[in-house]
Amino acid sequence: QQQVKQSPQSLIVQKGGIPIINCAYENTAFDYFPWYQQFPGKGPALLIAIRPDVSEKKEGRFTISFNKSAKQFSLHIMDSQPGDSATYFCAAQRDGGATNKLIFGTGTLLAVQP
Amino acid sequence: NAGVTQTPKFRILKIGQSMTLQCTQDMNHNYMYWYRQDPGMGLKLIYYSVGAGITDKGEVPNGYNVSRSTTEDFPLRLELAAPSQTSVYFCASSYLQGNSPLHFGNGTRLTVT
Repeated sequence: QQQVKQSPQSLIVQKGGIPIINCAYENTAFDYFPWYQQFPGKGPALLIAIRPDVSEKKEGRFTISFNKSAKQFSLHIMDSQPGDSATYFCAAQRDGGATNKLIFGTGTLLAVQP
Repeated sequence: NAGVTQTPKFRILKIGQSMTLQCTQDMNHNYMYWYRQDPGMGLKLIYYSVGAGITDKGEVPNGYNVSRSTTEDFPLRLELAAPSQTSVYFCASSYLQGNSPLHFGNGTRLTVT
């Protein structure tokens, strides 16, 4: 299956909280899992990405956790700030092939309240 | 570098009208893409191109056409606009195939009434 299921649709946290966004996939051929961040009126931008040979990747306050057996991965934002308020998309891709074909999740609208 | 530039930012079309969404990139990327973004639906690939003169259909190509005469430009043509084409359209480019980051423009918000 080509779908990537993302939850929740929206999320509100207080400043300093740790929002968690979850994604699940079915196609075991997927082997690259990026997260994109989109601010209002802008295009998405790559935030962080992981391959299934590691279970966790951290970049600053952003962490991806990956569970290969469950075919799930999640984004955690430590010490969240109002500036993190954005829409977050997970995605999955099968490496190789002649083209770049990302399958995107449906997005999570995050609001971090001051 | 400007990155990926899309014009116009906003457009309202009447049913049956046609228009071209412009996209240009100055990063010398071979790979370019058109996505549409609908609320609660994520990003769906319309068309993509792996280089000048080469284009192919994505997931939702019906009602659209593209061309790629230069590395820099990848216009998207809407013929006979329909309300179902009301959406936000994003152009993107990438340096390599595979696990190369997509660089998105800021989008064109299109309304068909």
